[in-house]
Amino acid sequence: SQQGEEDPQALSIQEGENATMNCSYKTSINNLQWYRQNSGRGLVHLILIRSNEREKHSGRLRVTLDTSKKSSSLLITASRAADTASYFCATGYSGGGADGLTFGKGTHLIIQP
Amino acid sequence: DAGVIQSPRHEVTEMGQEVTLRCKPISGHDYLFWYRQTMMRGLELLIYFNNNVPIDDSGMPEDRFSAKMPNASFSNLKIQPSEPRDSAVYFCASSLAYGFEGYTFGSGTRLTVV
Repeated sequence: SQQGEEDPQALSIQEGENATMNCSYKTSINNLQWYRQNSGRGLVHLILIRSNEREKHSGRLRVTLDTSKKSSSLLITASRAADTASYFCATGYSGGGADGLTFGKGTHLIIQP
Repeated sequence: DAGVIQSPRHEVTEMGQEVTLRCKPISGHDYLFWYRQTMMRGLELLIYFNNNVPIDDSGMPEDRFSAKMPNASFSNLKIQPSEPRDSAVYFCASSLAYGFEGYTFGSGTRLTVV
């Protein structure tokens, strides 16, 4: 399967701490993306990293990509209660990257106030 | 832009009935995707379109499922006849082809088949 798998499945931390989630995948990719889903809502795109990039930042988010290990990590710094959500990685395989993404099962993140 | 618009938000129907889910993508987006989300199977890609043409429908579970995109601003997903195992949240998403930077998802349709 080309599906990405997130680890851990669930994570509970105190507000203000950093949260790290990992994603592993099986085949070569064109890009890897992270999405957030709040309970009962649609997914929201957070960040995209291409296969020729190793690290990318967006606000309090830092994503790394190691294509040799077929893995990625998402770091959320200085977590807030509003960061409580499920986080999914998604992998794209085609040249342009827009063709059907394959999503993992997600990491459920809980930020304790 | 109002984003990707899906309707209805909730649908409860009896087994055997036809169900139609609707999606309006973001204007100018070249791709449209239908996903299904369940606790057991996570997010599954059902079908996607590029410039209104179906590209890959290998994720459509059975012949009971069909999807059309008659124009660039509308797509529907039909289930006929519906079964209880079709109960799930169905998401529509759209994206650009050139300068791809991720999908924009709708809020989903929660389908319950009783």
